[in-house]
Amino acid sequence: ETGVTQTPRHLVMGMTNKKSLKCEQHLGHNAMYWYKQSAKKPLELMFVYSLEERVENNSVPSRFSPECPNSSHLFLHLHTLQPEDSALYLCASSQVLQTFTSGNTIYFGEGSWLTVV
Amino acid sequence: QKEVEQNSGPLSVPEGAIASLNCTYSDRGSQSFFWYRQYSGKSPELIMFIYSNGDKEDGRFTAQLNKASQYVSLLIRDSQPSDSATYLCAVLSGSARQLTFGSGTQLTVLP
Repeated sequence: ETGVTQTPRHLVMGMTNKKSLKCEQHLGHNAMYWYKQSAKKPLELMFVYSLEERVENNSVPSRFSPECPNSSHLFLHLHTLQPEDSALYLCASSQVLQTFTSGNTIYFGEGSWLTVV
Repeated sequence: QKEVEQNSGPLSVPEGAIASLNCTYSDRGSQSFFWYRQYSGKSPELIMFIYSNGDKEDGRFTAQLNKASQYVSLLIRDSQPSDSATYLCAVLSGSARQLTFGSGTQLTVLP
């Protein structure tokens, strides 16, 4: 248990559906992240939030829409996805933004497996 | 050119042997280097980080960094079947505000 909880763990959706992934961290961290992990590909950073403000958007298509209502919660809203969007979506958090010292490890959630049909 | 490159494997070693995992990176300004372990169906977990050239040891794990060669490695001594996982190399450059991950090396330790 890393203190970062993601729901749902598995999601199957059609290309016209609207769904959301939820992430909650219980660690008192100030920074949260969405990563995408596809088979045989490196982890791709999608979005970064620091103190509820989006600070990074790595050219992610608009069919992915993040929301960070407070420092403990992060959502990824999904709309009109494509089959190639099927992947493992990982939420992560860190105490502060991207200063990975020994006291500021990044913690990942268990991930949400998304299948787009 | 991939920014962080790892051999995808699979790498198989017998139990008790030393497993050697390698990673190269393209950004000479990179300053921080991390190894994550990811079991099948689970999230990545940090096992080692290194900032300075040379070796850093933690239990059965040793991280090695050579900035001149832009090379970082992870050695696992006395490998156990429970070490079977995918190992992800991640690099934080001086200018970037994000970790860049390699695609991972799948390690299998045979009993």
